[in-house]
Amino acid sequence: EIVLTQSPATLSLSPGERATLSCRASQSVSSYLAWYQQKPGQAPRLLIYDASNRATGIPARFSGSGSGTDFTLTISSLEPEDFAVYYCQHRSTWPRTFGQGTKLEIK
Amino acid sequence: QVQLQESGPGLVKPSETLSLTCTVSGGSISGYYWSWIRQPAGKGLEWIGRIYSSGSTTYNPSLKSRVSMSIDTSKNQFSLKLSSVTAADTAVYFCARDMTYAFDYWGQGTLITVSS
Repeated sequence: EIVLTQSPATLSLSPGERATLSCRASQSVSSYLAWYQQKPGQAPRLLIYDASNRATGIPARFSGSGSGTDFTLTISSLEPEDFAVYYCQHRSTWPRTFGQGTKLEIK
Repeated sequence: QVQLQESGPGLVKPSETLSLTCTVSGGSISGYYWSWIRQPAGKGLEWIGRIYSSGSTTYNPSLKSRVSMSIDTSKNQFSLKLSSVTAADTAVYFCARDMTYAFDYWGQGTLITVSS
């Protein structure tokens, strides 16, 4: 199965700063990568699919890029509600797998 | 707005079978794939498997020998059965709509604890 490795494990930033989260796949997943945001006690929320497509209702400050094995989620200017855990997930092969998550915390 | 709601026993004894149902409202279950995903406390997400409205299934190989999914389009529900559970199956279980490109709608999740 494809292993997704997210870095860093924890990212400490302040509101208004730019956040850059990384997801690396153990083999190429083409552009078949999604990003989710999860807050405590809630279900994950889809942000980005197929590497760079924002899901419905997702603010423009969230953007995704990459292909093959290296992907990036960028939050251009952090809002207080953006502090959460972020997961990447591929759909290239079976089984679907998720990264272990990056926790974005307030500095 | 599509909504999903998981329902289940909360507590399951070791070696028994975990049974969960997901009820879909605000939209039809027909013509879509539906997945189950779980998350142990403080850990990451694991995809369990998915079912199409026709009943066709795909399971995670790591769980395939113990997993069974079914769907009832007349009730707008789909279900998960996981047999021979152990403490390692303790987790929050989510149901989600599987658009193939991503999971776009999720239930709130239900905690299943495996304990005697």
